[in-house]
Amino acid sequence: KQEVTQIPAALSVPEGENLVLNCSFTDSAIYNLQWFRQDPGKGLTSLLLIQSSQREQTSGRLNASLDKSSGRSTLYIAASQPGDSATYLCAVVSGNTGKLIFGQGTTLQVKP
Amino acid sequence: EPEVTQTPSHQVTQMGQEVILRCVPISNHLYFYWYRQILGQKVEFLVSFYNNEISEKSEIFDDQFSVERPDGSNFTLKIRSTKLEDSAMYFCASSLFVQGSGNTIYFGEGSWLTVV
Repeated sequence: KQEVTQIPAALSVPEGENLVLNCSFTDSAIYNLQWFRQDPGKGLTSLLLIQSSQREQTSGRLNASLDKSSGRSTLYIAASQPGDSATYLCAVVSGNTGKLIFGQGTTLQVKP
Repeated sequence: EPEVTQTPSHQVTQMGQEVILRCVPISNHLYFYWYRQILGQKVEFLVSFYNNEISEKSEIFDDQFSVERPDGSNFTLKIRSTKLEDSAMYFCASSLFVQGSGNTIYFGEGSWLTVV
């Protein structure tokens, strides 16, 4: 059974710092991995999607990497800003129905 | 940018009542999903729907739950005889494919259900 774990559960950093969020999954047979952002009481916004054949994806200050064989992904946020404060969720698709299996998230606070 | 829309944003219901949560997925998408998030817990998969039938459902999705796509645009989740533990944020999502390019899953803003 696929399980997704995110470390750390919470992170507080000063503005401008570069940071890394970690995600691990137990079954390497995935179709893709997606990183989402969730603001309090809001929906999930897709940030980056990495196909199983890819190693990384970049969007602006965000870079996500995937090491399928070791069951790990990282989300790198460069030059963090207070507006980056949110919960970041990692999720994998490992079946052919598109079902996402989520980690518990990392809650990020960026202090001005 | 196209978006998934959900109604209502918040509903309070008495225990034992039936609730229908509505979703309008992105118009050209083919795969539809419901997820839920109990406060403070992980986002959990409930059901996936493709070609007018359920393609996968979780253990949570028992006889109390049903989904329907009554027309070409709406996708509904019905919860019969609601229980206190059904209180959660329910998210609708859609995607064009499940593999390869175009399989980014888009989520709605959620419907917060409170059962009292």
